[in-house]
Amino acid sequence: EIVLTQSPATLSLSPGERATLSCRASQTISSYLAWYQQKPGQAPRLLIYDASNRATGIPARFSGSGSGTDFTLTISSLEPEDFAVYYCQHRRSWPLAFGRGTKVEIK
Amino acid sequence: EVQLLESGGDLVQPGGSLRLSCAASGFTFTTHGMAWVRQAPGKGLEWVSSISTSGSGTFYADSVKGRFTISRDNSQNTLSLQMSTLRAEDTAIYYCAKMMTAPAVPFFDCWGQGILVTVTS
Repeated sequence: EIVLTQSPATLSLSPGERATLSCRASQTISSYLAWYQQKPGQAPRLLIYDASNRATGIPARFSGSGSGTDFTLTISSLEPEDFAVYYCQHRRSWPLAFGRGTKVEIK
Repeated sequence: EVQLLESGGDLVQPGGSLRLSCAASGFTFTTHGMAWVRQAPGKGLEWVSSISTSGSGTFYADSVKGRFTISRDNSQNTLSLQMSTLRAEDTAIYYCAKMMTAPAVPFFDCWGQGILVTVTS
């Protein structure tokens, strides 16, 4: 079973700043990682799949990178609507798993 | 417009059973794998179960294996989750989710609004 560890748990930033979120896998998962955004009271939204591919309709300020065990989600310049919780998820093998999330909050 | 509408959530006693349904519309249901993902109150996301396009392939988290059964009715565009021997730790919002097809990988590009299941005595 693959475990995903996200860090930091909370990121306090101001609008316009750059956000860098990390997701580390307990074993290699190639590029088989996705990132989701979830706002309070809403369902998650797919942002990035297979490490670096933006999902349909996702703004270019969101980018993903990494392979193997270490992955990064970068938001180049935070917009007010970007303050939310972000989860990573792997598809390397069953069972699928999510990380515990990183909350990006307004400083 | 793609829509996933869950139903069947309820308050149930420990040891009880419940069946969730998800009505899908706005896309070709038969060409997408489907899944259930849950979220306990104030907690993160937990993948529960997935099913292949035909229904012949099913996958479960260890936490629900042997207690939950996922199924689909491609004639009715409906996904189901039969839950039995429910425990307090099954209390969560349950999301129905559609898997990507381009590429055809188990990431979820559309989610329902979620339905609450509460297990308590």
